Amino acid sequence: ETVLTQSPGTLSLSPGEGATLSCRASQSVGTYVAWYQHKRGQAPRLLIYDASSRATGIPARFSGSGSGTEFTLTISSLETEDFAVYYCQQRINWPPTFGQGTKVDIK
Amino acid sequence: QVRLVESGGGLVKPGGSLRLSCAASGFTFSDYYMSWLRQPPGKGLEWVSNIDDAGYSYNIKYADSVKGRFTISRDNTKNSLFLQMDNLRAEDTAVYYCARQFNWNYFDSWGQGTLVIVSS
Repeated sequence: ETVLTQSPGTLSLSPGEGATLSCRASQSVGTYVAWYQHKRGQAPRLLIYDASSRATGIPARFSGSGSGTEFTLTISSLETEDFAVYYCQQRINWPPTFGQGTKVDIK
Repeated sequence: QVRLVESGGGLVKPGGSLRLSCAASGFTFSDYYMSWLRQPPGKGLEWVSNIDDAGYSYNIKYADSVKGRFTISRDNTKNSLFLQMDNLRAEDTAVYYCARQFNWNYFDSWGQGTLVIVSS
């Protein structure tokens, strides 16, 4: 199966700062990568699909890029509600797999 | 709006069984593939099983870790998704989520999850 490795494990930042999260795949996944935001006790939320397409209702401060094996989620200016765990996921190789997550917490 | 509500979790002994349910509303349930995913304590998300929009058995898939022990099904007349979990193991302990599939194997709506604990 395709292993997704996310870095860093934790990102400590202040509101208003930018965040860059990375996801590396063990084999090419084209541009078939999604990013999810997950807060404790809540349903995960789809942010980005197909590497760079924002899901319905997702603010423009969230953007995604990458192809092949290297992907990035960028949050341009952190809002208080953005502090959460973020997961990448690939869908092109069976089974669909997730990275282990990057926690973005308040510095 | 889209709503998915899981139920049926709880504490069960190793080797035991549980049946999870997911009640869907706010969309045409019979138009969508659906999945179960899980998150063990302190770990990341793991896809468990999916089923096509009509529930055809040849279009049902399972993760290797649950194949032969878990059975996914759906009732489109009741807008409900199910996961029958048999021969449970300690490593099945997790929060279980149902999710609507989008654009093949992305997941665009999730429930809040139901906790399954397998322990003696």
